[in-house]
Amino acid sequence: GENVEQHPSTLSVQEGDSAVIKCTYSDSASNYFPWYKQELGKRPQLIIDIRSNVGEKKDQRIAVTLNKTAKHFSLHITETQPEDSAVYFCAAQAYSGAGSYQLTFGKGTKLSVIP
Amino acid sequence: NAGVTQTPKFQVLKTGQSMTLQCAQDMNHEYMSWYRQDPGMGLRLIHYSVGAGITDQGEVPNGYNVSRSTTEDFPLRLLSAAPSQTSVYFCASSYSSGTGSDEQYFGPGTRLTVT
Repeated sequence: GENVEQHPSTLSVQEGDSAVIKCTYSDSASNYFPWYKQELGKRPQLIIDIRSNVGEKKDQRIAVTLNKTAKHFSLHITETQPEDSAVYFCAAQAYSGAGSYQLTFGKGTKLSVIP
Repeated sequence: NAGVTQTPKFQVLKTGQSMTLQCAQDMNHEYMSWYRQDPGMGLRLIHYSVGAGITDQGEVPNGYNVSRSTTEDFPLRLLSAAPSQTSVYFCASSYSSGTGSDEQYFGPGTRLTVT
């Protein structure tokens, strides 16, 4: 099955600095890579995603890059703000046909933005 | 739309008891899934369903049963609760475009403690 590794497990940055979280995956059949943000006691919420036919995607201060050859993808947050503090999860989804697919998550990165 | 709803929000069980966690969605999504979230482990897939009458196992299915009699509902049954099943359980759903690259929407979660 798919295996997703996520680093670092914790990350502290000063407000205004950039934060980068990296993930690797093992299954070359994976074709969808979402990133979720989870605030304490809340449900995971999608913040950005990228499909395997795209190398980079940006949404305001958040960007994701994908290197299919190396099987790794990264989340970049620029101009960090205190409200960016949360746990971030990467995930990889492999499609096995007939509408069947499984989403495998990394173990999460706790981001703390220091004012 | 209510989105994805889960009941109960909190539950305490004694070892050996059984119970059903309820999940419902009103978005007419074909794909539904159950995850458990443990500290430092990310979210792990328990079972999933690609449509009414069709279910399949995920990464950690042991000790859990599911059924999907309607598009809207996807209950998770714990047959004989064990302390190792203490966790936060999330239900999720997504539209199936046939590409395997569809956003999953999460419910608010059920916090289960087994003593």
